[in-house]
Amino acid sequence: EVQLVESGGGLVQPGGSLRLSCAASGFTFSKSWMSWVRQAPGKGLEWVANIKPDGGEQYYVDSVKGRFTISRDNAKSSLYLQLNSLRAEDTAVYYCARDVVVITAAHYFDYWGQGTLVTVSS
Amino acid sequence: EIVMTQSPATLSVSPGERATLSCRTSQSVSSNLAWYQHKPGQAPRLLIYGASTRATGAPARFSGSGSGTEFTLTISSLQSEDFALYYCQQFHNWPLAFGGGTKVEIK
Repeated sequence: EVQLVESGGGLVQPGGSLRLSCAASGFTFSKSWMSWVRQAPGKGLEWVANIKPDGGEQYYVDSVKGRFTISRDNAKSSLYLQLNSLRAEDTAVYYCARDVVVITAAHYFDYWGQGTLVTVSS
Repeated sequence: EIVMTQSPATLSVSPGERATLSCRTSQSVSSNLAWYQHKPGQAPRLLIYGASTRATGAPARFSGSGSGTEFTLTISSLQSEDFALYYCQQFHNWPLAFGGGTKVEIK
């Protein structure tokens, strides 16, 4: 059974940092593209970032470029998201998800975790 | 950047009735569209990909149609467990984008 379990969320002040983790099991993590997707309160889903299976390529939505860093440890079957210079608008539930790659750049998501809440507030 | 518009925002339906949800994209995405079901506090669930292919485990009462810029998710006979939020997502261009969602509620 595929499982994705996020952790690391919490309350942080504007300008602060947080590191999210996602523990994966039930599939070959080292062969899978992985993404972070977030949902702000009362809003829809927003893709945030993804990473190639070997970690050699990462892609980000414009609003987080230069502030967030996605990474992975295939030996630990774990995905990470380092959140720096946090803003109130980054407040959201953050989900990790497994990408299905149809062709280059065509990704959708077949498994998701239950999410971890990040609240940015003073 | 492709803009996704879902309608209606809320759909009130009685159990056993048919529900039709719409997703429109600002430019053609061919058939590169997926639908997800999301219940509060749970992981989103993939229902449809490629506009019309049911995902593994998705009940047969869920069907998707459309191509280009107009897409539809139909739930043929609503069950109690189907009351949830539904999102479409295009995977034709970067950045990947989701619609704003349709909430299916009990009438």
